[in-house]
Amino acid sequence: SQELEQSPQSLIVQEGKNLTINCTSSKTLYGLYWYKQKYGEGLIFLMMLQKGGEEKSHEKITAKLDEKKQQSSLHITASQPSHAGTYLCGADSTSGTYKYIFGTGTRLKVLA
Amino acid sequence: DAMVIQNPRYQVTQFGKPVTLSCSQTLNHNVMYWYQQKSSQAPKLLFHYYDKDFNNEADTPDNFQSRRPNTSFCFLDIRSPGLGDAAMYLCATSGTGNPPYNEQFFGPGTRLTVL
Repeated sequence: SQELEQSPQSLIVQEGKNLTINCTSSKTLYGLYWYKQKYGEGLIFLMMLQKGGEEKSHEKITAKLDEKKQQSSLHITASQPSHAGTYLCGADSTSGTYKYIFGTGTRLKVLA
Repeated sequence: DAMVIQNPRYQVTQFGKPVTLSCSQTLNHNVMYWYQQKSSQAPKLLFHYYDKDFNNEADTPDNFQSRRPNTSFCFLDIRSPGLGDAAMYLCATSGTGNPPYNEQFFGPGTRLTVL
């Protein structure tokens, strides 16, 4: 079965610093999603990547899917306290179904 | 605003006492999901509905059941909660296009405590 591994598990950065979170899949990804979760709340959709080499940006967050479609990275530029939370990558475990799996998340803390 | 609503936000039950969690959506999405998320773990898919078609994950315990009486509502029934069922339960919806390219919309979750 497919697994998503995220690194690092947790991250503490000073406000204004850049950071990168990685998501590695044990199998080819057919669609990769990034979500953000604040403690005790549901997941908020950030971005979806489909094609190898694809890159998307929203405000100060950029996500990329590598050419082989087995790894994705999420990059935050000039981090702010509002970026704090847990970032999770997700994917359909089997192409063509609705059986989604998620990584264990990366907990981000931004120090003001 | 279109959204996914979960009630209650916090639920306390006793060991073995049946409990029902509810989810409603105003997005008119065909697919609804229930996830279990334990502390510091990834959300784990329990089952999903594609319209009225129920799809159970192979490792979802029989203790967990679900009902979807109409497009808008979906319920999670835990027949005999054990201490290990204490978790956050997340409901999500998605439209039907060509999976897996479907963004999911999540509710705020229900945190279940089992005493």
